[in-house]
Amino acid sequence: KQEVTQIPAALSVPEGENLVLNCSFTDSAIYNLQWFRQDPGKGLTSLLLIQSSQREQTSGRLNASLDKSSGRSTLYIAASQPGDSATYLCAVNLDSNYQLIWGAGTKLIIKP
Amino acid sequence: GAGVSQSPSNKVTEKGKDVELRCDPISGHTALYWYRQRLGQGLEFLIYFQGNSAPDKSGLPSDRFSAERTGESVSTLTIQRTQQEDSAVYLCASNHPLDRDDSGELFFGEGSRLTVL
Repeated sequence: KQEVTQIPAALSVPEGENLVLNCSFTDSAIYNLQWFRQDPGKGLTSLLLIQSSQREQTSGRLNASLDKSSGRSTLYIAASQPGDSATYLCAVNLDSNYQLIWGAGTKLIIKP
Repeated sequence: GAGVSQSPSNKVTEKGKDVELRCDPISGHTALYWYRQRLGQGLEFLIYFQGNSAPDKSGLPSDRFSAERTGESVSTLTIQRTQQEDSAVYLCASNHPLDRDDSGELFFGEGSRLTVL
């Protein structure tokens, strides 16, 4: 059974720091992995999608990597800003299956 | 439309009343999901629609919950005889099915916040 774990559950860092959020999954037979952010009281915003054949995706200050063999993905945020404060979730699509398996999220606070 | 649209954004109702929540997916997205998110909790899968296939209702918590979707357009989630435990944000999402090259990226609406008094 596929399980997705995000560590840490919460993280607080000063503005300007580079940081890494972690997502691990137990079954390497994934179709893709997606990172989202969720602001309080809001829906989820898609940040990056990595297909199983890809190693990384970049968007602005965000870089997501994928290592299927070790069951890991990282979300790297460069030069963090207070506006990056949110909960970050990762989710995996199982191979040829529409069901997404969700991590519990990492709550990120960037202190001005 | 440009994004996934949900209505109402907020709904306060009395215990025992029925409520209907609406989701308008991104045009062209044949796949549609409903999730529930209780305060401070993760996403809870409710139901999945894909085109004209039979929906996956495996996540619906009780027979008080039902959902409909006509073709590849609007979906409605209905909760009958609401209970206080139904209070949550109900999120809708859509994407292309996984057999397309550009598939997989999931787009969410802003959610419908339901409060049952």
